Amino acid sequence: EVQLVESGGGLVQPGRSLKLSCVASGFTFNNYWMTWIRQAPGKGLEWVASITNTGGSTYYPDSVKGRFTISRDNAKSTLYLQMNSLRSEDTATYYCTRDLKAYWGQGTLVTVSS
Amino acid sequence: DIQMTQSPSSLPASLGDRVTITCRASQDIGNYLRWFQQKPGKSPRLMIYGATNLANGVPSRFSGSRSGSDYSLTINSLESEDMAIYYCLQHNEYYTFGAGTKLELK
Repeated sequence: EVQLVESGGGLVQPGRSLKLSCVASGFTFNNYWMTWIRQAPGKGLEWVASITNTGGSTYYPDSVKGRFTISRDNAKSTLYLQMNSLRSEDTATYYCTRDLKAYWGQGTLVTVSS
Repeated sequence: DIQMTQSPSSLPASLGDRVTITCRASQDIGNYLRWFQQKPGKSPRLMIYGATNLANGVPSRFSGSRSGSDYSLTINSLESEDMAIYYCLQHNEYYTFGAGTKLELK
């Protein structure tokens, strides 16, 4: 059974950093691109970052480029999202997904507030 | 950047109705279009991929279609479990979601 379990969310002050993790199981992790999606409270879905199966290429929208870094450790079947210079508008539930298709984690809530 | 204009934002409907939700792409995305369903407090669920293909386990009352740059999700014979928010997603060039359609009981 495919499972994606996010962790690392919490309350953080504006300007600070936070690192999210997503542990994958039930499939061959290094065969798949992985993506982070976020959803602000009561709002829609927003693409945050994607990484190829080898980790050799990464992709970001302008809203997070230069502040967020996606990475992966294929030996540990773990996906990461390093978030720096956090802003109030980064407050959201962050989901990791396999290929942005059928498999999503349960999400981890990040709240940026002083 | 590719924009996805989704309509309507809210769709009141009755059980047994046939409903259609539409997304219009700002430029050509081929059939790189997926539909997701999201219920309160839950992660999104893939419903349609490749614009017209039903994902595993999705009831056959759901269908996807394309007419030019307009992509539609149709639900025949609406059931109570279908009440949710639906999002389209283009993945031809990076990723862009539509703003969502809240399907609710009239």
